[in-house]
Amino acid sequence: DTEVTQTPKHLVMGMTNKKSLKCEQHMGHRAMYWYKQKAKKPPELMFVYSYEKLSINESVPSRFSPECPNSSLLNLHLHALQPEDSALYLCASSQQIPGLQHYGYTFGSGTRLTVV
Amino acid sequence: AQSVTQLDSHVSVSEGTPVLLRCNYSSSYSPSLFWYVQHPNKGLQLLLKYTSAATLVKGINGFEAEFKKSETSFHLTKPSAHMSDAAEYFCVVSDQGGKLIFGQGTELSVKP
Repeated sequence: DTEVTQTPKHLVMGMTNKKSLKCEQHMGHRAMYWYKQKAKKPPELMFVYSYEKLSINESVPSRFSPECPNSSLLNLHLHALQPEDSALYLCASSQQIPGLQHYGYTFGSGTRLTVV
Repeated sequence: AQSVTQLDSHVSVSEGTPVLLRCNYSSSYSPSLFWYVQHPNKGLQLLLKYTSAATLVKGINGFEAEFKKSETSFHLTKPSAHMSDAAEYFCVVSDQGGKLIFGQGTELSVKP
């Protein structure tokens, strides 16, 4: 299995809703990432998990809450979002071997989120 | 610090003609460099990667890129464009911690 699977593919939520995005990989990768991508822009890093521990939080508002229940799963919990949070949310994973060259990330297809 | 500059925000070619997407990088050490492609409403797909082995890197779908240290460039080429190549292309450098630094992207249009 060489894929990163994201669910749902599309999500519409109100500003008072609570929802979660899910990401799953079975490649044995020990680093997992959440990115946010607005239209016609490159992805922006939100969070990094390394060996199931949060290692980077790029000053993301607390209405986004990541969770890594195990080495294969990554969730992003959403609460009280704003319309400007509407974007494509991408999950990615990578091997993380300290001291060796980086071999790139595998990205999921993303969740298209619309906040109304 | 590492950075990436994609020199063209939009490139338009005719089907069957060569493709050149330009990328310059800045890095204080020997970098890992990547090209990713993103079709509309899709995730990012890795086209190819340079990790200090051969300087001419072959990727999927007929794409290749050449690492030129003297010019700090990593341009993406393809001999003959197909309609299915129309997409957004990102040149990416990895920092020493493994964090990806993205260029601003180049939109490739392919005319029939």
